[in-house]
Amino acid sequence: DTGVSQDPRHKITKRGQNVTFRCDPISEHNRLYWYRQTLGQGPEFLTYFQNEAQLEKSRLLSDRFSAERPKGSFSTLEIQRTEQGDSAMYLCASSSVWGEQYFGPGTRLTVT
Amino acid sequence: TQLLEQSPQFLSIQEGENLTVYCNSSSVFSSLQWYRQEPGEGPVLLVTVVTGGEVKKLKRLTFQFGDARKDSSLHITAAQTGDTGLYLCAGSHSGTASKLTFGTGTRLQVTL
Repeated sequence: DTGVSQDPRHKITKRGQNVTFRCDPISEHNRLYWYRQTLGQGPEFLTYFQNEAQLEKSRLLSDRFSAERPKGSFSTLEIQRTEQGDSAMYLCASSSVWGEQYFGPGTRLTVT
Repeated sequence: TQLLEQSPQFLSIQEGENLTVYCNSSSVFSSLQWYRQEPGEGPVLLVTVVTGGEVKKLKRLTFQFGDARKDSSLHITAAQTGDTGLYLCAGSHSGTASKLTFGTGTRLQVTL
């Protein structure tokens, strides 16, 4: 399968713990995006990369959130000191520079 | 804040009926995409429209982009149970490979 993959699919953590999610984009895509989707809402943009450069960050991305794409391939999204309000589906998408965005299956985070 | 409003939010119909979903904004978008999302999965791209007034057909689905590029509609003819899902419109101000602003979503349930 050559689509976008995300790992893990589900994560349950206790408040205050750190979590890290991984996204592997479609191999020829040089843009990678992170979105967050809460129950009953459409996804909201968090950040995106072109190759290894982080080009834009939403104000939703607080200081506790950090995203990296060190070699321009896979990306990680880390949340430090998780809060219950961080519970959501975290979606990754990828595209070529001029192309459409294709989404992965998402990581469902539950903070207890 | 969701800049794209979708209506209706929920729609429950019987197989064979027709339906239309609307996506409205006060902003002008350079392109607009429609996605369908199943529970626990990421959004799947259905179509992209870029030209004001553009109409695209995908089997029983007809998509239209408003003349002013501020609104769009999705019409399904003779709905089937397999059409059940969450329909999301998403607009971009700088082409498809930039951040997407998603609508609030329309949850469609098609029953026998």
